[in-house]
Amino acid sequence: DAKTTQPPSMDCAEGRAANLPCNHSTISGNEYVYWYRQIHSQGPQYIIHGLKNNETNEMASLIITEDRKSSTLILPHATLRDTAVYYCIVRSGANNLFFGTGTRLTVIP
Amino acid sequence: GAVVSQHPSRVICKSGTSVKIECRSLDFQATTMFWYRQFPKKSLMLMATSNEGSKATYEQGVEKDKFLINHASLTLSTLTVTSAHPEDSSFYICSANGQLNTEAFFGQGTRLTVV
Repeated sequence: DAKTTQPPSMDCAEGRAANLPCNHSTISGNEYVYWYRQIHSQGPQYIIHGLKNNETNEMASLIITEDRKSSTLILPHATLRDTAVYYCIVRSGANNLFFGTGTRLTVIP
Repeated sequence: GAVVSQHPSRVICKSGTSVKIECRSLDFQATTMFWYRQFPKKSLMLMATSNEGSKATYEQGVEKDKFLINHASLTLSTLTVTSAHPEDSSFYICSANGQLNTEAFFGQGTRLTVV
């Protein structure tokens, strides 16, 4: 599976949109982009995934560039409960998820 | 979404004893489950892939005799840490693929402390 690059940390004001970037320049055609987050001392929580079209669900939006080499996870109205480590992962099929170092998002009151 | 339950959430054991951690898919069948280990302030590291009805596949550097994995049914995989030592203290997490294999769902994790 391709590797991803994320900034190690970000801050976001409560109520504002949090935009978390991810580079995956070596992604191959059959690999999906997945986002998970991990709140301290808990298992990772699935957020969203996509192949090439932008996706939206009740938690977040996923914007994937046309060349698929990067993506952005958007939390439209960040709350204090969104403070977590966010992992961007590319994955093909049912293979295991390779976790990089992720981005530690801190939502500030 | 699908639910994966991991038990126990926290365990303390003495050096030399064995500890069993269970991972159950509650509302779906999982032919494949994954076991991860996480050290403080570090990311998850894959230990092994557990396949129902067959032997687990271990990642390089993970001792299969130390970390015994059994996946006897489509809803249960177990990880047994044998002859535990303090350096085995860690956060262990399992995951299972959903029925469509497009999502992986994670258990709550087990914090193991070996004293």
